[in-house]
Amino acid sequence: EAGVAQSPRYKIIEKRQSVAFWCNPISGHATLYWYQQILGQGPKLLIQFQNNGVVDDSQLPKDRFSAERLKGVDSTLKIQPAKLEDSAVYLCASSLGANEKLFFGSGTQLSVL
Amino acid sequence: AQSVAQPEDQVNVAEGNPLTVKCTYSVSGNPYLFWYVQYPNRGLQFLLKYITGDNLVKGSYGFEAEFNKSQTSFHLKKPSALVSDSALYFCAVRDYTNAGKSTFGDGTTLTVKP
Repeated sequence: EAGVAQSPRYKIIEKRQSVAFWCNPISGHATLYWYQQILGQGPKLLIQFQNNGVVDDSQLPKDRFSAERLKGVDSTLKIQPAKLEDSAVYLCASSLGANEKLFFGSGTQLSVL
Repeated sequence: AQSVAQPEDQVNVAEGNPLTVKCTYSVSGNPYLFWYVQYPNRGLQFLLKYITGDNLVKGSYGFEAEFNKSQTSFHLKKPSALVSDSALYFCAVRDYTNAGKSTFGDGTTLTVKP
């Protein structure tokens, strides 16, 4: 079966610019997650969707980050404007349900200069 | 708030020796516990999970983990390490009463030397 697809693989931007990431989860997976992984740290949950509704976005910096999951399938995560500290790998994951194992995409490595 | 601690940034073992990667957790409800592995230049992959039942769970590639409720630990183990086991290992906890929110530890780098 196809895995979780993410694009782009790499992105380099200057601070104050905007950037968007795209994720297509495994077909049939109702739950979709966006994680931020800073070098040397574990993944930190930014937002969790159940179908197209938000379950948890308590750690999403809402003044600059936004995410949507239209039609309960693919999702986009946007940062506007970017800051230096946003440099990280952004991981998308999906699961059949909220308490099932996660399947991760390869991630988008963002560098903010 | 739930949390995970992986007290060792790095674990070094010789090939053929047993290995242990430590994990302790804190969660208000009953935990679901997971181990994931990240090989160089590859995405995170599921290894094993504990939901309920036997405290010793078996997973992929010969790994197993022991759930200890009194010590709030979920250590990853393997009886005989392989060089190919060298990778970054993450422990994660989910509180099923908290919409399945996952919290990850900061990871432990396992290096197996020939």
